[in-house]
Amino acid sequence: ETGVTQTPRHLVMGMTNKKSLKCEQHLGHNAMYWYKQSAKKPLELMFVYSLEERVENNSVPSRFSPECPNSSHLFLHLHTLQPEDSALYLCASSQILASTDTQYFGPGTRLTVL
Amino acid sequence: GNSVTQMEGPVTLSEEAFLTINCTYTATGYPSLFWYVQYPGEGLQLLLKATKADDKGSNKGFEATYRKETTSFHLEKGSVQVSDSAVYFCALSRNTGGFKTIFGAGTRLFVKA
Repeated sequence: ETGVTQTPRHLVMGMTNKKSLKCEQHLGHNAMYWYKQSAKKPLELMFVYSLEERVENNSVPSRFSPECPNSSHLFLHLHTLQPEDSALYLCASSQILASTDTQYFGPGTRLTVL
Repeated sequence: GNSVTQMEGPVTLSEEAFLTINCTYTATGYPSLFWYVQYPGEGLQLLLKATKADDKGSNKGFEATYRKETTSFHLEKGSVQVSDSAVYFCALSRNTGGFKTIFGAGTRLFVKA
């Protein structure tokens, strides 16, 4: 595997379910990110991790819970979601947490909440 | 606050036509500016970037210049190909008062043969 991978690629869940999205980067990077991409809205940065520590939480509801157990893996735990949470969730990584650094994106997980 | 505004699409061009996608921004401090491209079914990938005023980013025939005086970062290509059909996102990143990456809404480009 190369680059940034995300699993699953598609997920359908009910509002009472609990599920997790997984992201893995094979680039040796130290910063990782979760984004939400909704139809007709710009990408929204949700969470930022640097060296496994969360450094940004952009007013994301508590039904989204991130976890970064090591510098290669990032999870997004989901519980009691709402239909408006249906979106493409993108993971990204960068060498360091710096405004000049390029972010490398995974293909995303398409989430549908029924 | 920080924001990125880019022209609405879709933009439809014939092969070999000239492309311009406008992008303007508002930001505190001195952000870095990026163009990312998203092909169908894929994540975003970097097209080009510029990290300070007057820098020009270029890649695969695409160019954009960081204009601080007009707060703009317009994307241009002299001759588009069918394979350039994708969604293009302008973005800024800054690390003043907390790390932020702000994306524009995206511009879908269709290139006809």
